[in-house]
Amino acid sequence: GENVEQHPSTLSVQEGDSAVIKCTYSDSASNYFPWYKQELGKGPQLIIDIRSNVGEKKDQRIAVTLNKTAKHFSLHITETQPEDSAVYFCAADPSYGKLTFGQGTILTVHP
Amino acid sequence: EAGVAQSPRYKIIEKRQSVAFWCNPISGHATLYWYQQILGQGPKLLIQFQNNGVVDDSQLPKDRFSAERLKGVDSTLKIQPAKLEDSAVYLCASSPTGGGTEAFFGQGTRLTVV
Repeated sequence: GENVEQHPSTLSVQEGDSAVIKCTYSDSASNYFPWYKQELGKGPQLIIDIRSNVGEKKDQRIAVTLNKTAKHFSLHITETQPEDSAVYFCAADPSYGKLTFGQGTILTVHP
Repeated sequence: EAGVAQSPRYKIIEKRQSVAFWCNPISGHATLYWYQQILGQGPKLLIQFQNNGVVDDSQLPKDRFSAERLKGVDSTLKIQPAKLEDSAVYLCASSPTGGGTEAFFGQGTRLTVV
């Protein structure tokens, strides 16, 4: 089955800095890669996703890149704000809905 | 649009007792998932329904866990008997179709087994 590794497990940045979280996956059949943000006491919420026919996608301050050959994808958050503080999860889906999640990254943005 | 509804929000039970969780997905969503999230880890898929049929339950501990989706809408997840290691947040999610589309998550049920 699919295995997703996520790094780093914790990330601390100053407000206004950029944050980068990296994930690798094992199943070459995976072709959908969502990123979720989870705040304390809440369920995960999708912030951006990318499909295998696209190498990069951007939505305001958030961008995701995908390298299918190397089987890795990354989340980039620019101009971080304190409200970006949360746990971020990457996931991989081999097209039939069986999302496999990474272990999560605790992002802390200091004012 | 109403989100995924789950109840209860919290549950504390003793080991060997039974417990049930309820989920109401977003209206019209054909696919429903149950995930287990142990503290400090990412969610792990337990079971996936497409309408009222099971698509994948390969990671469901079937000796103690069971799930059903009534009339292709609401779903219940049951644990009987519970073990200490079942302490986790149980998340329900739904999506319009199967893979490759956004899964919308509920707030989850935090289960503590003592």
